[in-house]
Amino acid sequence: IAGITQAPTSQILAAGRRMTLRCTQDMRHNAMYWYRQDLGLGLRLIHYSNTAGTTGKGEVPDGYSVSRANTDDFPLTLASAVPSQTSVYFCASSDPQRGGNEQFFGPGTRLTVL
Amino acid sequence: AQKVTQAQTEISVVEKEDVTLDCVYETRDTTYYLFWYKQPPSGELVFLIRRNSFDEQNEISGRYSWNFQKSTSSFNFTITASQVVDSAVYFCALSEAYAGNNRKLIWGLGTSLAVNP
Repeated sequence: IAGITQAPTSQILAAGRRMTLRCTQDMRHNAMYWYRQDLGLGLRLIHYSNTAGTTGKGEVPDGYSVSRANTDDFPLTLASAVPSQTSVYFCASSDPQRGGNEQFFGPGTRLTVL
Repeated sequence: AQKVTQAQTEISVVEKEDVTLDCVYETRDTTYYLFWYKQPPSGELVFLIRRNSFDEQNEISGRYSWNFQKSTSSFNFTITASQVVDSAVYFCALSEAYAGNNRKLIWGLGTSLAVNP
């Protein structure tokens, strides 16, 4: 693989179910991010990780959790999905040590919670 | 507070017209970065350019050009001789210091550009 992959591409989920969105990068970037994109609200940061073993909360962390066991993987878990979590989710990575911190994005996961 | 404003929500042009997308930012950082991203109808987010706060040189890449002016806190993006394939949502973003060396991106809400044949 080259870049960032996300799985699944799309998912319809019943409210109350648990769901993990997967994200894998092969660029050896230290930092990774999860965003949600909603019409009229732009991109909002859910959680981030500066490096393997550390995570932090973004603007809208409630209802989501993440882990960063290694450099490549950064899964996002919805413990008990609610309809307001219907959104398009993007994973991104960057290498701040290179100076610019431009973020590179995966293709997104379209999640619908009914 | 850091902020990015893209005042143009939607722009519609006819093919071959030039179009400028505006981006105005606010930051108290002395060192920062500005970015433009493109999101075509297929949905992926594509990095276009990064500009450092200490480098005000304009940049041109093919039909794309960027005008960075610290005096007006603006980082505008011009597409010359627009094409239908340029139809997309364009996002401007600002990088601030957040946690240690990591820098969070502050995003504008995007400008939706429609280029009509």
